[in-house]
This record gives sequence, structure tokens and C-alpha cells, in this order.
Amino acid sequence: DGGITQSPKYLFRKEGQNVTLSCEQNLNHDAMYWYRQDPGQGLRLIYYSQIVNDFQKGDIAEGYSVSREKKESFPLTVTSAQKNPTAFYLCASSARPGRNTGELFFGEGSRLTVL
Amino acid sequence: GQQVMQIPQYQHVQEGEDFTTYCNSSTTLSNIQWYKQRPGGHPVFLIQLVKSGEVKKQKRLTFQFGEAKKNSSLHITATQTTDVGTYFCAGRSNDMRFGAGTRLTVKP
Repeated sequence: DGGITQSPKYLFRKEGQNVTLSCEQNLNHDAMYWYRQDPGQGLRLIYYSQIVNDFQKGDIAEGYSVSREKKESFPLTVTSAQKNPTAFYLCASSARPGRNTGELFFGEGSRLTVL
Repeated sequence: GQQVMQIPQYQHVQEGEDFTTYCNSSTTLSNIQWYKQRPGGHPVFLIQLVKSGEVKKQKRLTFQFGEAKKNSSLHITATQTTDVGTYFCAGRSNDMRFGAGTRLTVKP
């Protein structure tokens, strides 16, 4: 089946440790996105990539890093610099990058808890 | 910067009652999308509206895009327990911004 796979689904880490969340898609989509979801705040864009080897900061990029070495993969690293990393992280992809992007396809999310 | 406000934050209805969530943007939008997120799940695309004044229906769901392309609404007629979840709008101008969502609960 085509879709987006995020792993792990749940992750616990100690404060000060870097964490990498995986996102893989087999939809042949050019654009990929990382969102953070906190209760009552909707989805906030962390980083997005419209093409391989290129990515841009979203609204809350501080304390996060990404890479886009392959079209299928867009991993997110939550660094120790992120002040409040406990959240639900959602990866998404879309077929057409840019302003006229169609629907976003979301993965099932990764819930990170920093102890 | 672009902001997308969504109200109400929560809505609790009796099964069979109607439900409406409203989305307002600080800037004119090129399009607006609606998503549904079931409890414990991930957002799933419902629909995209592009034209000024556009109205689209999906069974009991009616989506509207305002004439000025700055507001939108989702109306559910005769809610069912399967409608529970959080409904998000996402408005696109230069970037895409999500509203905070409206969490719907339905009492059987």
C-alpha cells in the first residue's frame, strides 16, 4: 500500500539527548513536511522540503534539523536546543510543491516525551 | 503575518444535532482545505475549496468558502457518533496555516 510511515510511534528520551524521527513515503511525492501538534494549538510547521537536497524553515524551526537526501525520506532531528520537545510530531507529503499544493497525506505521527 | 483563527475550540452536541465550525484568515486565501483527525489518529484530508463563494457537499457535510476568500465554514447536519474528532481548516496564501481546530464530541 502507498502511504507515509513514521517511526517510532512512541519515544521517550532524557533531557539533553538528540532524537531522530523517521518519515518515509512511497507516494512519489516531491514535497514533504514536518508539523508539531500541541493541545489547543493546531499544527505548526517545523520544516518543509519541496525537492531532494533542499529544505526550508517553517514557523518553529529552532531546535530542529532535517535532511532530504532521498525523495522518499525526510527525517527530523529534535536537538537538545529545543526547549520544549515533548509533543506529537506529524510528517506529511503532497504531490505538488508550492502554493497550489493539493491535499496533504499525513503519517500516523510520533509522540515524543522528554523526561 | 498570516493567521488563521478557528472557532469554537470545543463543541459538544447531542447525536442528531447540527454542528458548525468557522475559520477566519487575516489574509486573502488562494484556497482552503479541511481535515478531520479522529482521537488518537492523524489528520485526514476532507476537501479543498478554491473559488470565491464556493459550496461543496459530502453527504451530511457542507463546506463553504467566503466571497472575500478570507473565511470558511464546515457544517455537519444531524451529527452521528462517527463524526467525533477534531476538524481543522488550513488556509493557503503565501504559506499554509492551520487553524487550532474544533474538537467535536457527540453524546449518543
